[in-house]
Amino acid sequence: KAGVTQTPRYLIKTRGQQVTLSCSPISGHRSVSWYQQTPGQGLQFLFEYFSETQRNKGNFPGRFSGRQFSNSRSEMNVSTLELGDSALYLCASSLGASGTASTDTQYFGPGTRLTVL
Amino acid sequence: GNSVTQMEGPVTLSEEAFLTINCTYTATGYPSLFWYVQYPGEGLQLLLKATKADDKGSNKGFEATYRKETTSFHLEKGSVQVSDSAVYFCALTNAGGTSYGKLTFGQGTILTVHP
Repeated sequence: KAGVTQTPRYLIKTRGQQVTLSCSPISGHRSVSWYQQTPGQGLQFLFEYFSETQRNKGNFPGRFSGRQFSNSRSEMNVSTLELGDSALYLCASSLGASGTASTDTQYFGPGTRLTVL
Repeated sequence: GNSVTQMEGPVTLSEEAFLTINCTYTATGYPSLFWYVQYPGEGLQLLLKATKADDKGSNKGFEATYRKETTSFHLEKGSVQVSDSAVYFCALTNAGGTSYGKLTFGQGTILTVHP
């Protein structure tokens, strides 16, 4: 079974621009979560989508948004990029079965390395 | 809220040495606990997990036991190899509500194993 894929793997943008990252989950997985990883803040939760609905959101400004399509693929968008948005963005997928969230195991993609200049 | 604390790194060991990486947590209810590993330039790989108290997760010679009385989930391996050099993350998630799809991670522990 193919793993979680993320595109692109690397991005370089300048301040003020916007960016869209894509994540394709493992076949059959309906939940996609996004995380930001930086040396200073570690791994921080951005949001989670299940069946095209955002079920949970972390403490990030509104410039960070996402969506999920009917085939469970997900995109996240960052508008008006700031230098501090430079990070590794990871997505993870899981079955996301309602009522068993505590036992849903997340499988991660390789990440998208975003550099903001 | 939930939190995870890992031992400070980096940890440097010789090949075949015993490894322990401490992890303690704060959470309401009955969280599930995980260890993930990240190799340079890659995403996170699930190493092992435990979903209830006294469960022992194990994989590739690594083990961790869910200790509710001490709120701990320490990672151990009897004999490390150079290929185990990576960053190790302890994480937890709770059931439903504000925890849907959310893993709370520790700060990570860098492990370097020398031949």
